[in-house]
Amino acid sequence: GENVEQHPSTLSVQEGDSAVIKCTYSDSASNYFPWYKQELGKGPQLIIDIRSNVGEKKDQRIAVTLNKTAKHFSLHITETQPEDSAVYFCAAMGVSGGFKTIFGAGTRLFVKA
Amino acid sequence: DADVTQTPRNRITKTGKRIMLECSQTKGHDRMYWYRQDPGLGLRLIYYSFDVKDINKGEISDGYSVSRQAQAKFSLSLESAIPNQTALYFCATSDPSGDPYEQYFGPGTRLTVT
Repeated sequence: GENVEQHPSTLSVQEGDSAVIKCTYSDSASNYFPWYKQELGKGPQLIIDIRSNVGEKKDQRIAVTLNKTAKHFSLHITETQPEDSAVYFCAAMGVSGGFKTIFGAGTRLFVKA
Repeated sequence: DADVTQTPRNRITKTGKRIMLECSQTKGHDRMYWYRQDPGLGLRLIYYSFDVKDINKGEISDGYSVSRQAQAKFSLSLESAIPNQTALYFCATSDPSGDPYEQYFGPGTRLTVT
């Protein structure tokens, strides 16, 4: 079945440094790739997404890149701040799957002040 | 007020008991979902509903059932709870008339089966 692998599972960076989280997906029909941020005690919240017809998307300090040929996509956070500390999930969705979203296992990001 | 609410937020129950987790939303979305979150496994889809008359199994539906009582309400039941159903459960919604892809999650229900 469809699968999304996410690495690393834990990431610790110094405040101000960049953080990169990488995901690969198995279903070549996937065409939508969201990233969710989950803070302690809360549900996941969409922070950025990218569709298959775009290679890169940026929103302030956050950017996502997509390589459809290699079936992988990445989240880049620049100038990290302590409030970026959270669990981040990548996901993949395709119309062929009935709009079902397959999530990665998550990355716990620690930003040290 | 929160757009997607879940009750209870925490629940401890014993093996064999029946338990219901409830989800309500004020977003007016037709699509609703139930996910389970386990450490190291991310979120896995249990059931989803695209409208009141539509119920579909997700990847891990065994041991669970759902009821879509209204557009705004989607309940998840464990008929006979077992310890490996101990997890964090999330309800989510999405709007097919808007951005059909973005999902809005509730705050979660932490369930412990002893």
